[in-house]
Amino acid sequence: NAGVMQNPRHLVRRRGQEARLRCSPMKGHSHVYWYRQLPEEGLKFMVYLQKENIIDESGMPKERFSAEFPKEGPSILRIQQVVRGDSAAYFCASSPNLLSDEQYFGPGTRLTVT
Amino acid sequence: QKEVEQDPGPLSVPEGAIVSLNCTYSNSAFQYFMWYRQYSRKGPELLMYTYSSGNKEDGRFTAQVDKSSKYISLFIRDSQPSDSATYLCAMSAGGGADGLTFGKGTHLIIQP
Repeated sequence: NAGVMQNPRHLVRRRGQEARLRCSPMKGHSHVYWYRQLPEEGLKFMVYLQKENIIDESGMPKERFSAEFPKEGPSILRIQQVVRGDSAAYFCASSPNLLSDEQYFGPGTRLTVT
Repeated sequence: QKEVEQDPGPLSVPEGAIVSLNCTYSNSAFQYFMWYRQYSRKGPELLMYTYSSGNKEDGRFTAQVDKSSKYISLFIRDSQPSDSATYLCAMSAGGGADGLTFGKGTHLIIQP
């Protein structure tokens, strides 16, 4: 039973470049959540998606960040024109349905901006 | 006031001791409460999931929720060195459409 998969596990980008983080939910799960964990900070909710729909993006920074979960393929978190402050661990979680708050997390992508 | 408060520790106890971890929160709309364990540089692992007030037990772990006091606890019996990790509390108002609100985590060290 594959869990939530994220890739790449580590990503290094120079300031101004784009970062694309991918997440494949657990088998049978159709709900995806993205969280960011800054050093010495807790996990912060960014966005909640279902297939082809953004349900809640209240935690997403207004600029440079976007997310999608297409009909086919993984969910993508995209960060344009990265800055040093974007360096963090980005976690994806999935849940099976709308009635469940049980979220299962992937191993994370550690983004370093140089 | 932060929505969820959690002592960051570190909390260091000898092997075999009973560990008590806790969180307080301010949002009375929270109804679903979770505890996650996170090892260094890994993703959070769901340990316990409870709804509303009451107790839930799973093996060596017991989760307690007291909504009247806005206080939740996780107890670990017969603690093992492998329990050394950061423990995160998380909560939501429910309905399945919420992102979780997390505490910052408590770093637990079990001394052999």
